[in-house]
Amino acid sequence: NAGVTQTPKFQVLKTGQSMTLQCAQDMNHNSMYWYRQDPGMGLRLIYYSASEGTTDKGEVPNGYNVSRLNKREFSLRLESAAPSQTSVYFCASKYDRVNQPQHFGDGTRLSIL
Amino acid sequence: AQSVSQHNHHVILSEAASLELGCNYSYGGTVNLFWYVQYPGQHLQLLLKYFSGDPLVKGIKGFEAEFIKSKFSFNLRKPSVQWSDTAEYFCGQTGGGNKLTFGTGTQLKVEL
Repeated sequence: NAGVTQTPKFQVLKTGQSMTLQCAQDMNHNSMYWYRQDPGMGLRLIYYSASEGTTDKGEVPNGYNVSRLNKREFSLRLESAAPSQTSVYFCASKYDRVNQPQHFGDGTRLSIL
Repeated sequence: AQSVSQHNHHVILSEAASLELGCNYSYGGTVNLFWYVQYPGQHLQLLLKYFSGDPLVKGIKGFEAEFIKSKFSFNLRKPSVQWSDTAEYFCGQTGGGNKLTFGTGTQLKVEL
């Protein structure tokens, strides 16, 4: 039972390069999320998708784009990476009921030089 | 806007000490509250959740949390911590929707 799978696990980019982080879940969840985790700031929501074909901005969407390719997959794209986007990125998914928890992937550690 | 406050950023305890981590939330309507744990190098895992009923919630690994509506609090407790409890702990809430708002986290270090 894979749960939420993120690729890659680590990546180093140069400023200005583009990159797509992949996320897939096999739990038939409708809702999917992208967070970034930075020291002392907890997890901040970048974008989320309540269902296939819909996406909405979270707390820190600037510099990112997302695609909900199908029910399983939700990708995060950095078009022109900046050092301020150095972070650990987590993908999560959940059932639609508000009392259900989110299930997280193992994260992608991204460094931008 | 919803917000979650965790006032203890770093906590250091000796093994067998009791633990209480504070969490306050801002949403005044029906809330669903969660505690997640992140062990070093790992992803977040659910410790426990509250959405209705008994305000004292028991989770995995001996953790519990008490929902006190009058204080907007959902503090995490454990009577006796172990070295393996060293981790970062996040409180979160959803209020009226599917977006989960996290606190900034508390780093717990348990010393032998």
